[in-house]
Amino acid sequence: SQQGEEDPQALSIQEGENATMNCSYKTSINNLQWYRQNSGRGLVHLILIRSNEREKHSGRLRVTLDTSKKSSSLLITASRAADTASYFCATDRNTGNQFYFGTGTSLTVIP
Amino acid sequence: EAGVTQFPSHSVIEKGQTVTLRCDPISGHDNLYWYRRVMGKEIKFLLHFVKESKQDESGMPNNRFLAERTGGTYSTLKVQPAELEDSGVYFCASSRVWYEKLFFGSGTQLSVL
Repeated sequence: SQQGEEDPQALSIQEGENATMNCSYKTSINNLQWYRQNSGRGLVHLILIRSNEREKHSGRLRVTLDTSKKSSSLLITASRAADTASYFCATDRNTGNQFYFGTGTSLTVIP
Repeated sequence: EAGVTQFPSHSVIEKGQTVTLRCDPISGHDNLYWYRRVMGKEIKFLLHFVKESKQDESGMPNNRFLAERTGGTYSTLKVQPAELEDSGVYFCASSRVWYEKLFFGSGTQLSVL
């Protein structure tokens, strides 16, 4: 891939459980972002974490970044059926000025 | 604030035909990006405009693809002639500055038969 790869490819959980998705990337970055895509819609920005940050929270979302391992994780707590979507990480390269996406994690939350 | 709009939402064409996709970014967003997603694969970067200038077109597959952004407002992406492997969802995104979040359109689903 161009830069990021999400893991797992697909995840199915019960409503109320937590969901964790991981992203690994190849080259040094300045910023990493997470996006959500509902079926048939465009991507929606969730959270941005900079390379000098280790953890960030937004509502039920928690993102961590480990630059030494070139990896990030997205945790969704107390999942809801409405969280069913594909989730993508996007990374820049510290020599470029655009973001590169991975293949995404397809999350299904069963009511 | 109006979002990023793309049209058409769907296009079905035959191999060898020409298709033009259009993207209207959010007003005031100088940065405009085109991405493509082929079924189940990564969302692949195609190119990046800053106003009317092509900042980076390293992701464009070949010279059958031509992108323009006249006047630094809306952008078009033309595929001529279309091939089967061009099928996929083409997304447009815009941002005020490149390191901020991207705002995406709903995409154009292109099917080449």
